[in-house]
Amino acid sequence: QQQVKQSPQSLIVQKGGISIINCAYENTAFDYFPWYQQFPGKGPALLIAIRPDVSEKKEGRFTISFNKSAKQFSLHIMDSQPGDSATYFCAASSSSNTGKLIFGQGTTLQVKP
Amino acid sequence: SAVISQKPSRDICQRGTSLTIQCQVDSQVTMMFWYRQQPGQSLTLIATANQGSEATYESGFVIDKFPISRPNLTFSTLTVSNMSPEDSSIYLCSVGMGIGYGYTFGSGTRLTVV
Repeated sequence: QQQVKQSPQSLIVQKGGISIINCAYENTAFDYFPWYQQFPGKGPALLIAIRPDVSEKKEGRFTISFNKSAKQFSLHIMDSQPGDSATYFCAASSSSNTGKLIFGQGTTLQVKP
Repeated sequence: SAVISQKPSRDICQRGTSLTIQCQVDSQVTMMFWYRQQPGQSLTLIATANQGSEATYESGFVIDKFPISRPNLTFSTLTVSNMSPEDSSIYLCSVGMGIGYGYTFGSGTRLTVV
């Protein structure tokens, strides 16, 4: 119930391509879905987040698509750049359960020049 | 967003000893959490640090092993007690201003137990 399942584990994309990372959850009480970006030796940094009352949110090259009925959400990185090479984590939290974040397993993205 | 100073950034410790990790925030925050991240793995929540009261621990984590203090709204400590090599990991402090808002993470403490 508390799990967030993330795929793929790793992803290689050519520069300029679209990177897509998917997450699925079971707990319908989750009401906040952030994505974090982590570079080696650094803590995770919030990239973009969505609440279940909208189906899509876009910030620059980053877009979250949210499908409430399927209990799935995904991150799309448009025009992927080598500087986007990092590990990406999806997460979910419930305002009815202290708001603590439950993280997916992570996706290592490599963008080739 | 809040700026977190986490100390030490890394340490190498002998088994059987304890290490206290500090998390200092530049502004008052409502929520503080401690996470563990093993190399190449995801983040696992250890506990929620509650101001002025005992921390709330997740399944698999106990107070005797990971005592946590949070004396005010800007500071918390996590102690890793009686360490073994299995405790080698990255420990991260995270803070937030409220449920559902973005949480900020510190840079982490890389702990190696030998």
